Amino acid sequence: QKEVEQDPGPLSVPEGAIVSLNCTYSNSAFQYFMWYRQYSRKGPELLMYTYSSGNKEDGRFTAQVDKSSKYISLFIRDSQPSDSATYLCAMRKTGANNLFFGTGTRLTVIP
Amino acid sequence: GAGVSQTPSNKVTEKGKYVELRCDPISGHTALYWYRQSLGQGPEFLIYFQGTGAADDSGLPNDRFFAVRPEGSVSTLKIQRTERGDSAVYLCASSLSGGPETQYFGPGTRLLVL
Repeated sequence: QKEVEQDPGPLSVPEGAIVSLNCTYSNSAFQYFMWYRQYSRKGPELLMYTYSSGNKEDGRFTAQVDKSSKYISLFIRDSQPSDSATYLCAMRKTGANNLFFGTGTRLTVIP
Repeated sequence: GAGVSQTPSNKVTEKGKYVELRCDPISGHTALYWYRQSLGQGPEFLIYFQGTGAADDSGLPNDRFFAVRPEGSVSTLKIQRTERGDSAVYLCASSLSGGPETQYFGPGTRLLVL
């Protein structure tokens, strides 16, 4: 079993919809949580970075962390066709340097 | 400013050959990471450098893989006796000082072993 689980999708939504992306993890040593966006044939680009449980908002994006349930989410409001990409959750353990990634969820926003 | 750059962007080689993949991190970043991303998967950690030294090479899959960073800036990932299973996108990332600092990724090198 992988330490980080993410539904690979694909997920297809109409423009303007609210998108919910999720990851679960099994190791409580994960303390730092990130969401990366990856366009086709590009490297991952950091969207959100959180440490504590709770919500963090940045424009149309909200990251949510529930450490008690070992569950993280990314919400995208008013989704745009330009949001079409693969979204990767990533986590880091305290004292470690490398990131553990989910498989990524491929999102398509239809105009 | 310039981001992380990687060369070549694509590399096609034959089984058994030797390949070198290059990473130029963001200027001033002391931490450098290599990850491998197979089709439909998330990136998987290979090796982490802090300065010139490999601080963590626990992700290297076997002794055909090794990486260097002789002057604490540019890094080269070297793969000997390539196998078809080595085909993947090799991503490099850098961060200011390691630890919780944000990792910035390059565009990757797509390696295809025939």
